[in-house]
Amino acid sequence: DAEITQSPRHKITETGRQVTLACHQTWNHNNMFWYRQDLGHGLRLIHYSYGVHDTNKGEVSDGYSVSRSNTEDLPLTLESAASSQTSVYFCASSAGLAGGQETQYFGPGTRLLVL
Amino acid sequence: AQSVTQPDIHITVSEGASLELRCNYSYGATPYLFWYVQSPGQGLQLLLKYFSGDTLVQGIKGFEAEFKRSQSSFNLRKPSVHWSDAAEYFCAVGSPSNDYKLSFGAGTTVTVRA
Repeated sequence: DAEITQSPRHKITETGRQVTLACHQTWNHNNMFWYRQDLGHGLRLIHYSYGVHDTNKGEVSDGYSVSRSNTEDLPLTLESAASSQTSVYFCASSAGLAGGQETQYFGPGTRLLVL
Repeated sequence: AQSVTQPDIHITVSEGASLELRCNYSYGATPYLFWYVQSPGQGLQLLLKYFSGDTLVQGIKGFEAEFKRSQSSFNLRKPSVHWSDAAEYFCAVGSPSNDYKLSFGAGTTVTVRA
């Protein structure tokens, strides 16, 4: 079955370190998204991609970067981790064929703690 | 810009009782509307969505939602909750302008008591 996976599931890091969170989907979807989930804020969009070599900033992109070198993967990099980036991170994908009515499919999440 | 408000942060309901979760949206035209559920430690799963047609939408796990344009609302209901319905529920809005992004509400946590 097609799926979307994230790794690691849990990560503890120190302030100032570079961290990369992996996201891999086997749906062959064009679109991929990264969100962070914080209490009281729901899910906020960090970055998104509508195809290979396409990346776009979301509403909370400062301190994060992504690159899309193939269809399946969209790694999220925290350039210099800050305590404010302690959060749960979700990756999602959608087909990219039918506009805003498309379902997004979510990975299980990565819980990141920055000390 | 589109936005979503979920007025209730936390709801406690008895098993077997009915459940209604509120969602209000802000958008210039008829948006695409979604309800997702997040069980503890899991990712989000789509419950149902609305983009046109019948304003009462049926979803998985016995949930339904009704789109009311006059009230800018898309409330989620279930007639009789089960202990397994304890989860966090998110309302989201998408744009008919061929943009694929979703805007999510802050979520409502549902606790089910025996």
